[in-house]
Amino acid sequence: DTAVSQTPKYLVTQMGNDKSIKCEQNLGHDTMYWYKQDSKKFLKIMFSYNNKELIINETVPNRFSPKSPDKAHLNLHINSLELGDSAVYFCASSIGQGVHSPLHFGNGTRLTVT
Amino acid sequence: DAKTTQPPSMDCAEGRAANLPCNHSTISGNEYVYWYRQIHSQGPQYIIHGLKNNETNEMASLIITEDRKSSTLILPHATLRDTAVYYCIVRGLQGAQKLVFGQGTRLTINP
Repeated sequence: DTAVSQTPKYLVTQMGNDKSIKCEQNLGHDTMYWYKQDSKKFLKIMFSYNNKELIINETVPNRFSPKSPDKAHLNLHINSLELGDSAVYFCASSIGQGVHSPLHFGNGTRLTVT
Repeated sequence: DAKTTQPPSMDCAEGRAANLPCNHSTISGNEYVYWYRQIHSQGPQYIIHGLKNNETNEMASLIITEDRKSSTLILPHATLRDTAVYYCIVRGLQGAQKLVFGQGTRLTINP
């Protein structure tokens, strides 16, 4: 299936740990994103990469570090996890950055920090 | 970016047309209206977008008023699988990918 896939689907960890979420898209898109959906269900952009280059960084704590080894992958590493990091993290991709390039989202990674 | 206002919830009978309204009275000339939906436990799914003309695709129709201050998403023959939260988002040419999803409308399709 062509899709945006994220792993793991669920992640439960303790405060202070470091964890990574992986994302891969086989749609041939050149732009990838990380979005965060909080407990109130608001979904907001965190980062965007175009051809492995960071183009959007939305005032996210520097404990969050995205890494794009190639344009089909965008991973999210989180250091020193805090309770407030608990959320659902969505990866997305698009064929470009313009208004006529809809985003294709993965099914999310539910992160729970205890 | 223009704010949007949507009813928090709506119900529709299966097989009927579902009409989801969105107010965006502060929209500016170069801002587009986008609709996404999020089915439970899935990521958001793009539905349709438009600037000022009405748009139709295989999923839905988008009707934008002449003054562009409001729009309606129409699902012509709703099915149970259309039960989801529907988001109306207004974005301009700059930062078109920085979508901010609000509360949306929780649409329930009843058998």
